[in-house]
Amino acid sequence: QKEVEQNSGPLSVPEGAIASLNCTYSDRGSQSFFWYRQYSGKSPELIMFIYSNGDKEDGRFTAQLNKASQYVSLLIRDSQPSDSATYLCAVRGPGGNQGGKLIFGQGTELSVKP
Amino acid sequence: DGGITQSPKYLFRKEGQNVTLSCEQNLNHDAMYWYRQDPGQGLRLIYYSQIVNDFQKGDIAEGYSVSREKKESFPLTVTSAQKNPTAFYLCASRAEETQYFGPGTRLLVL
Repeated sequence: QKEVEQNSGPLSVPEGAIASLNCTYSDRGSQSFFWYRQYSGKSPELIMFIYSNGDKEDGRFTAQLNKASQYVSLLIRDSQPSDSATYLCAVRGPGGNQGGKLIFGQGTELSVKP
Repeated sequence: DGGITQSPKYLFRKEGQNVTLSCEQNLNHDAMYWYRQDPGQGLRLIYYSQIVNDFQKGDIAEGYSVSREKKESFPLTVTSAQKNPTAFYLCASRAEETQYFGPGTRLLVL
């Protein structure tokens, strides 16, 4: 079982719709959860992070964390063609001696159609 | 203008050659990381450094080496022992919990 799993997609949504991206992780002791956006040929850029169970909102983005189900998701409201990219889920495991190591999923490709 | 820079943007390696990828940051971050990304895959950790003059192997360190002589710099050498070096190489530095990435270097084999 992979440590962090995402559906590779592509996920296609119409402009203005809600895009829902999902991520599951295997280490129940994981502490912090990150969503990065990566445009084709570019490096990842941080969208948001979440540490506590529940929802965290930032503009059109909402991260949702459920530690009991080992599940984290990213919702993008009012999706725009400029949101078309690969979205990477990353998880920091437990323990203070891991140097802040992140485990990445393989990414979900999102396509927003005008 | 603060940030992380990587050079070169593209690098070509010949058989049996060692090549070095540069990573510099002026963010005053202690921790720095090197990742490799293959097409359609997530990032895999090669090496990381939490402080000057100290570094640890990541998940795929074989065929790579690093140094951390200055806080600002964390160069990665891809040695001839790395038999499949073609990939997108990403350097990152960390502030508190969050890692921030440089623009990347794409390494190709001639």
